Amino acid sequence: SQTIHQWPATLVQPVGSPLSLECTVEGTSNPNLYWYRQAAGRGLQLLFYSIGIDQISSEVPQNLSASRPQDRQFILSSKKLLLSDSGFYLCAWSPLGQNEKLFFGSGTQLSVL
Amino acid sequence: RKEVEQDPGPFNVPEGATVAFNCTYSNSASQSFFWYRQDCRKEPKLLMSVYSSGNEDGRFTAQLNRASQYISLLIRDSKLSDSATYLCVVNPPNAGKSTFGDGTTLTVKP
Repeated sequence: SQTIHQWPATLVQPVGSPLSLECTVEGTSNPNLYWYRQAAGRGLQLLFYSIGIDQISSEVPQNLSASRPQDRQFILSSKKLLLSDSGFYLCAWSPLGQNEKLFFGSGTQLSVL
Repeated sequence: RKEVEQDPGPFNVPEGATVAFNCTYSNSASQSFFWYRQDCRKEPKLLMSVYSSGNEDGRFTAQLNRASQYISLLIRDSKLSDSATYLCVVNPPNAGKSTFGDGTTLTVKP
């Protein structure tokens, strides 16, 4: 069966520090991968999605970047965090070729202070 | 206008009540539709898909109305454990473009 792992669960970082959140998927090949952010009490905002290694689309201009160095690994990064980067970050995958059901990791609560 | 709109609620209902949520979408080319459930500070989890013919899973019924561009979720015989935020998701034909509503919060009280 497929599983998705995301870490860390919580993170407190000072403004201006770098960020690296990692997500890996097991039990499937060539998944579509996604990074979402959710502000408190709001819906999910798509940040990045990837249909393959080194194939990444950015949905909104921002202080963040994403990389997919391996088929089942998706990394969210920032060189210098802003206060506005605080939020709940969720990695997700969906089966190849289907813009269909999303399966989420357990999320990272990021607080930038 | 938002691409996907939900009544944020909160909906406060007693145990055993029937409650319904609607979600409207603007892109008439949208192809697939889902309801997710999200507990506080947790990840969303797929609740059910939504088909034109309607689908039912136990106490939950989902319906799609393409003509009026909305989907609905009906929960019968509400349980305390149904308390959560319910997110509707609309997928256009383009890959990676799932659009989430902001969610409807349900609280079921004893």
